[in-house]
Amino acid sequence: QKEVEQDPGPLSVPEGAIVSLNCTYSNSAFQYFMWYRQYSRKGPELLMYTYSSGNKEDGRFTAQVDKSSKYISLFIRDSQPSDSATYLCAMTSGGSNYKLTFGKGTLLTVNP
Amino acid sequence: DAGVIQSPRHEVTEMGQEVTLRCKPISGHNSLFWYRQTMMRGLELLIYFNNNVPIDDSGMPEDRFSAKMPNASFSTLKIQPSEPRDSAVYFCASSLILAGGPRETQYFGPGTRLLVL
Repeated sequence: QKEVEQDPGPLSVPEGAIVSLNCTYSNSAFQYFMWYRQYSRKGPELLMYTYSSGNKEDGRFTAQVDKSSKYISLFIRDSQPSDSATYLCAMTSGGSNYKLTFGKGTLLTVNP
Repeated sequence: DAGVIQSPRHEVTEMGQEVTLRCKPISGHNSLFWYRQTMMRGLELLIYFNNNVPIDDSGMPEDRFSAKMPNASFSTLKIQPSEPRDSAVYFCASSLILAGGPRETQYFGPGTRLLVL
């Protein structure tokens, strides 16, 4: 079993839709959870960062972490064509471990 | 402020040739990461430097790969000899990591697209 599982999609939605992206993980030591956005032919950029369980909201984006289920989600409200990108989840246990373990990414297309 | 700079952006080479990828991290950052991204395996950490010292190279696939960081503003990833299975996008990322501090963002460069024929 891979440490981090992420459905690669592709996911195609109409503009204005609510998008739900998810990752599951197996390592209970993970405490820091991130979502990166990667546009085509660009490097990943940090979108959301969450410590431990709970929700975090930033504009149209909401990140949720459920450590009991080892499940994290990213919700995008009122999706826009500019949100079309690959979304990668990433996580780490923290402490002296700075290594991020990434999901493979989900390709999202928002159609105008 | 310039982000992470990588060169070259594209590299096409023949099997057996030496390939050198270059990275300039963000000024003031003390940590540098080399990643490889493929469709099959996703984004994989190859090596991590902290204060120019290699801390974790467990992701380096084999002896054909080597990385150096001679100073805080420059790092290289070398593949010698290159093989077709090395074809991938190689990313460099940098971060400011302080002992006992919060987890900081890794800033990625634009990547080098490597094709080994």
